[in-house]
Amino acid sequence: DAGVIQSPRHEVTEMGQEVTLRCKPISGHNSLFWYRQTMMRGLELLIYFNNNVPIDDSGMPEDRFSAKMPNASFSTLKIQPSEPRDSAVYFCASSRLAGDYNEQFFGPGTRLTVL
Amino acid sequence: DAKTTQPTSMDCAEGRAANLPCNHSTISGNEYVYWYRQIHSQGPQYIIHGLKNNETNEMASLIITEDRKSSTLILPHATLRDTAVYYCIVRVQYGGSQGNLIFGKGTKLSVKP
Repeated sequence: DAGVIQSPRHEVTEMGQEVTLRCKPISGHNSLFWYRQTMMRGLELLIYFNNNVPIDDSGMPEDRFSAKMPNASFSTLKIQPSEPRDSAVYFCASSRLAGDYNEQFFGPGTRLTVL
Repeated sequence: DAKTTQPTSMDCAEGRAANLPCNHSTISGNEYVYWYRQIHSQGPQYIIHGLKNNETNEMASLIITEDRKSSTLILPHATLRDTAVYYCIVRVQYGGSQGNLIFGKGTKLSVKP
């Protein structure tokens, strides 16, 4: 299996621009998670989906952030408009089960720099 | 907030056992102890988890004290590739937000030749 795939791996944009991060979970996994990692705040859960349905988005920092999962094999995290403080590494993770023990498999991350 | 306390950093000689401690004095009866690690510039990687019994897999061993208030992750023969930040996490093993992984600051393990 190719593992969790994220694109792009690096993104540099200017303040005010729209940014879209993409994630392809491992086939057969039905839970998907978006995390953000910064030096100051560490690794934080932003939102997670079970069976393509958003379950908990309490970690989404602002209305500028939105996430979708139109099908079981694709999810996006969008920031509009982007700000310099959004600069971080964004990880996507997936797991096999929504409920019982589930090892989360993380993607390689997208390093976002907002100038 | 993370429910665990870990040392900020540790060193280990290559080939020796690395013992990483974790305190989780407020752990609930239905919460498991999970360990993940994050090698530089990569996503976190699952290592092992346990409830109250000691556990072992191909990567590591997990020793949980009888009162479950602390645990130790053991890498039996550390290599340079084990240099990473190790996260100890307690969580329930069912769905819902209580089952979310909450990462603290972890322990930065440096394996030295």
